[in-house]
Amino acid sequence: DGGITQSPKYLFRKEGQNVTLSCEQNLNHDAMYWYRQDPGQGLRLIYYSQIVNDFQKGDIAEGYSVSREKKESFPLTVTSAQKNPTAFYLCASSGQMNTEAFFGQGTRLTVV
Amino acid sequence: AQSVAQPEDQVNVAEGNPLTVKCTYSVSGNPYLFWYVQYPNRGLQFLLKYITGDNLVKGSYGFEAEFNKSQTSFHLKKPSALVSDSALYFCAVRDPEAGASKIIFGSGTRLSIRP
Repeated sequence: DGGITQSPKYLFRKEGQNVTLSCEQNLNHDAMYWYRQDPGQGLRLIYYSQIVNDFQKGDIAEGYSVSREKKESFPLTVTSAQKNPTAFYLCASSGQMNTEAFFGQGTRLTVV
Repeated sequence: AQSVAQPEDQVNVAEGNPLTVKCTYSVSGNPYLFWYVQYPNRGLQFLLKYITGDNLVKGSYGFEAEFNKSQTSFHLKKPSALVSDSALYFCAVRDPEAGASKIIFGSGTRLSIRP
């Protein structure tokens, strides 16, 4: 079954802790993305990667970090520097530029 | 820099009536444009795209969209709405001349279809 998998579905973090969200795809896509979704603000781009070992900051990268060591994997770390991390996080991947992106089912992160 | 605007937070339509969800964009070159739909607590599902060619594109679930270069718009339409069309809709843009894979989304429009 081809697709993109995010885990966990729900994640709770204590203030001051770093947490890592997993994103794996078996679509053989070069590009991968992380978005944050807050009510009424749509999807905001955190980081994206076009190829392995390379990634670029999106519009709201502060307080987040990523790695792209393998084509299939693009984990996102929410660091303690992110002051308001409670949100719904979506990972996506895409092939060539004229093709659509495929999305995972999302991870809902809550700070407790 | 590329950007997308969805001017309506919510659109309300009676079942059976036509619907339009608006989207305008800004890119430096010719855009690649996309529409997605999101159901509660789920990821986004692709509906349709405009890359080149015919300005009217058809997609999933009876949706279509019209690309208008002079008005920089890409409005989503459906001739006859269903209650099951109620969801959150996102417009997105890629700028191929910017040389990057970046995909930018609008703020979303909640579509509500009343029986």
